[in-house]
Amino acid sequence: KAGVTQTPRYLIKTRGQQVTLSCSPISGHRSVSWYQQTPGQGLQFLFEYFSETQRNKGNFPGRFSGRQFSNSRSEMNVSTLELGDSALYLCASSVTGTGGKGTEAFFGQGTRLTVV
Amino acid sequence: GDSVTQMEGPVTLSEEAFLTINCTYTATGYPSLFWYVQYPGEGLQLLLKATKADDKGSNKGFEATYRKETTSFHLEKGSVQVSDSAVYFCALYLGFQKLVFGTGTRLLVSP
Repeated sequence: KAGVTQTPRYLIKTRGQQVTLSCSPISGHRSVSWYQQTPGQGLQFLFEYFSETQRNKGNFPGRFSGRQFSNSRSEMNVSTLELGDSALYLCASSVTGTGGKGTEAFFGQGTRLTVV
Repeated sequence: GDSVTQMEGPVTLSEEAFLTINCTYTATGYPSLFWYVQYPGEGLQLLLKATKADDKGSNKGFEATYRKETTSFHLEKGSVQVSDSAVYFCALYLGFQKLVFGTGTRLLVSP
């Protein structure tokens, strides 16, 4: 079956602009989470959505936001881009994402955002 | 706070050598522990996981044992191949799909 699809794969934006990234989870997966990967900070959790509700959020400024649609597809938005937002943004989906021992998260290939 | 510490890389080995990548964690309670692998230009793939103390996760010849007493989850493989060259991430699970990752360890295997 198809994996997690992230679009676009590459993006170049100018400081001050905003950007929207898209993630289509594996069919049947209802949980979508987002991570930022940078050489300096590594992999950091942004937020997680389940059934259109944000259930968990990392330590990022309010410029980072997301949403999930009824078909489980998710978007994340970054407003007023800064140079430091340049990163690989990874989306992961899982079946339920409930608490407890953790269900397997399947990651997409990521969107590489470059802010100039 | 919750955190994961991995050995710094790169780890450079010859084919068929034994691999160990150290991982220790700090967490409240007893989280699940994971190893993920990232190949160039790709996202992360789950390699193995363990959900409780003394559990051993294994996959593709890789193994890791959840050691509560030493708060460790070291990754091992008896004989590495060139195709194992990648970045390996140790992670702990905090619920609601929040994974806390280590900094990653790059493995380079030469023929």
